[in-house]
Amino acid sequence: QVQLVESGGAVVQPGRSLRLSCAASGFSFSSYPLHWVRQAPGKGLEWVAVISYVGSSEYYADSVRGRFTISRDNSKNTLFLQMKSLRAEDTAVYYCARDRALYSSGWGSAFDFWGQGTVVTVSS
Amino acid sequence: DIQMTQSPSSLSASVGDRVTITCQASQDISIYLNWYQQKPGKAPKLLIFDASTLETGVPSRFSGSGSGTDFTFIISSLQPEDFATYYCQQYGHLLTFGGGTKVEIK
Repeated sequence: QVQLVESGGAVVQPGRSLRLSCAASGFSFSSYPLHWVRQAPGKGLEWVAVISYVGSSEYYADSVRGRFTISRDNSKNTLFLQMKSLRAEDTAVYYCARDRALYSSGWGSAFDFWGQGTVVTVSS
Repeated sequence: DIQMTQSPSSLSASVGDRVTITCQASQDISIYLNWYQQKPGKAPKLLIFDASTLETGVPSRFSGSGSGTDFTFIISSLQPEDFATYYCQQYGHLLTFGGGTKVEIK
């Protein structure tokens, strides 16, 4: 069965960096685009970034562009999110999610499988 | 950027009720609209994609319709397990979620 397991969440000070990971199993990892989606405490969902199935294209939300970088290692079935210059408003549960569009290099479509999330808290 | 206006933000309903949620896009997104269900402390679950296509395994009491800028999500007969928050999400240009609708027990 499809599994996505996030890790790397932590409490960090404003301005610092953090890298999240998402280990995938149960499907052909290199065939699907993958996303990061976040949810601030008590708030709604916010799409963060997507990377194409081969890692050749990336798209970002305006709120994180220039500070966050999405990447993947298809040899290790792992997705990453490098976060720099963190702000209080980046505090959230971060989910990795699979896009249902096989072999897509666009910005994505629907999220058909999700991880359980990892918590990032940005606070001094 | 495409903004998604979802309404209502919350509603109270009873088991067996018909529930309707709407989502309006700030520009034409064709049928590029999905619906999710999220229960507290859990990841969202895809219910409907491409405005009206039911995801595999999702009960037929859930349905979606619409195209362009106006979309509707319906639960035909609310069940106890349906009390949750529902989100629309567009992918006409990048990806954006609506603000969510919390469906509570009346």
